[in-house]
Amino acid sequence: AQSVAQPEDQVNVAEGNPLTVKCTYSVSGNPYLFWYVQYPNRGLQFLLKYITGDNLVKGSYGFEAEFNKSQTSFHLKKPSALVSDSALYFCAVRDDSGGYQKVTFGTGTKLQVIP
Amino acid sequence: DTGVSQNPRHKITKRGQNVTFRCDPISEHNRLYWYRQTLGQGPEFLTYFQNEAQLEKSRLLSDRFSAERPKGSFSTLEIQRTEQGDSAMYLCASSFDREDTEAFFGQGTRLTVV
Repeated sequence: AQSVAQPEDQVNVAEGNPLTVKCTYSVSGNPYLFWYVQYPNRGLQFLLKYITGDNLVKGSYGFEAEFNKSQTSFHLKKPSALVSDSALYFCAVRDDSGGYQKVTFGTGTKLQVIP
Repeated sequence: DTGVSQNPRHKITKRGQNVTFRCDPISEHNRLYWYRQTLGQGPEFLTYFQNEAQLEKSRLLSDRFSAERPKGSFSTLEIQRTEQGDSAMYLCASSFDREDTEAFFGQGTRLTVV
């Protein structure tokens, strides 16, 4: 069975500082990995994905994520946090044998950027 | 706006009543997904359509739940005899018919059963 863990319920960072939101995963085959952001009472917005290729993936709003196969991690990063980045972030994973309906989401990490 | 559209945004209903939600996917997308999200959790998969065919249903989709996508465009999710435990955000998403694709989500319908 596949799973995804977001070990931090909340991450606090000062505006202008770099931010990292952690994600680790477990799948039986090759992983397809996704990050989404959710603002209050809104749906999920796609940020970026890793399917294959370069381990460093760049996405929307200046976010990037690094795929680390040996550590089974896919941490989300941004060099300089904005107050507007404050939201709930979800990591998601599936293996390469099924379609998107097989994606498993983490429980989310609340990012609070402090002015 | 060419994104995924869900209606209504909010629904309050009395226990035992039936409710129906609508999802209009991105027009180029063949695949459509329904999810349920409760507080403090990520979205949980309910069901999936490819065009008009419902190809997969989660164990979460009890007999009181039914989903349709009659013409391969919009979809409806109906909950019969609602229970308080059905209170949640119901999310719809759509994607291209490709294995490496991501899905794009609507803003959700928040259901409150009183």
